[in-house]
Amino acid sequence: ETGVTQTPRHLVMGMTNKKSLKCEQHLGHNAMYWYKQSAKKPLELMFVYSLEERVENNSVPSRFSPECPNSSHLFLHLHTLQPEDSALYLCASSQDLGNQPQHFGDGTRLSIL
Amino acid sequence: EDQVTQSPEALRLQEGESSSLNCSYTVSGLRGLFWYRQDPGKGPEFLFTLYSAGEEKEKERLKATLTKKESFLHITAPKPEDSATYLCAVQAAAGNTGKLIFGQGTTLQVKP
Repeated sequence: ETGVTQTPRHLVMGMTNKKSLKCEQHLGHNAMYWYKQSAKKPLELMFVYSLEERVENNSVPSRFSPECPNSSHLFLHLHTLQPEDSALYLCASSQDLGNQPQHFGDGTRLSIL
Repeated sequence: EDQVTQSPEALRLQEGESSSLNCSYTVSGLRGLFWYRQDPGKGPEFLFTLYSAGEEKEKERLKATLTKKESFLHITAPKPEDSATYLCAVQAAAGNTGKLIFGQGTTLQVKP
């Protein structure tokens, strides 16, 4: 496996369910990110981790809970989501928090019923 | 407020018809400007990073340029496989969170 891998690729869940999105990077990077991509809107940064410490929480509702157990893995725990949370959730990684390019996975397409 | 605006929103070209995509930005000190390509059902794929005004980078039929207020992505003699959404993002010099601010993208369609 190379690059940034996200699972699952597609997820359909009810508003009362609890699920988790997983991201794994094989690039040896120290920083990892969660972004939300909604139709007709720019990518929005949600969370940033550097060396497993959260350094940015971009005013994200508490129904989204990130976890970074080590520098290669990143999770996004979901609970009690709303229909407007339906979107493509993208994970990215970069060497560090400087002006290095971020490399993205192919995302999880989330649909809330 | 830091902001990125891309134009046009959509662009249709005939194969071989060269054109340019625009990315205008307002940022309190530029740390870097990034161009990405995104195909349907995929994540953004990194193309270029530009760091200072006057800088240019090239890759096959693509050339990115940077001024103090905008960046252009020039596409020379495009082919149908260049069809994709092109995203521009900036990173501000202030703060150290790696935060990228993205534009809405330009969707390019190249017809044979």
